[in-house]
Amino acid sequence: AQSVTQLGSHVSVSEGALVLLRCNYSSSVPPYLFWYVQYPNQGLQLLLKYTSAATLVKGINGFEAEFKKSETSFHLTKPSAHMSDAAEYFCAVSNFGNEKLTFGTGTRLTIIP
Amino acid sequence: GAVVSQHPSRVICKSGTSVKIECRSLDFQATTMFWYRQFPKQSLMLMATSNEGSKATYEQGVEKDKFLINHASLTLSTLTVTSAHPEDSSFYICSAGQLLQETQYFGPGTRLLVL
Repeated sequence: AQSVTQLGSHVSVSEGALVLLRCNYSSSVPPYLFWYVQYPNQGLQLLLKYTSAATLVKGINGFEAEFKKSETSFHLTKPSAHMSDAAEYFCAVSNFGNEKLTFGTGTRLTIIP
Repeated sequence: GAVVSQHPSRVICKSGTSVKIECRSLDFQATTMFWYRQFPKQSLMLMATSNEGSKATYEQGVEKDKFLINHASLTLSTLTVTSAHPEDSSFYICSAGQLLQETQYFGPGTRLLVL
């Protein structure tokens, strides 16, 4: 069985500040890990993915995440927050890319002007 | 990138009626499509997985006779909510993936309101 835990259902950061969204996973097999962003009343957009290659993954919009097996973590970061980053962020895990995803509960990111 | 569409984007129906939601992969062939349900301010919960030409696999607790899924072609899957009730009101999102590919691509979602 797989699971994802996202610590902090709400995160607020000032514009220009570091964004850190936490994700820990549990998986009995080497995981595939994903971060998705969801804007209000829209579907999910893939930010980045880890598929057993480089542990530091760079995604769109300046986001990146680092896979740390020893900590079972896949935290999402961005050096400088923009107002347009305000959205809901979901971490997800699967056994293989084209299999069902297990999502975390999501983190709502608010950017303070 | 790969594009997935859903139709309709919003639907309001009366209790007891059936509603069909379409999910299409516009520029690729989707061997597998997934249907998710999302309640307000909550995460996505997988309802079922469908492979082209075969019966859908439903997650535990999802009524297969209520949520009918058809994946008749490599670009189209449909979800029919039969005899809808107010508790079926939700945001339904589909995703599509290709064989041996790593990423699922998500549709924009369909908001269903049952009165």
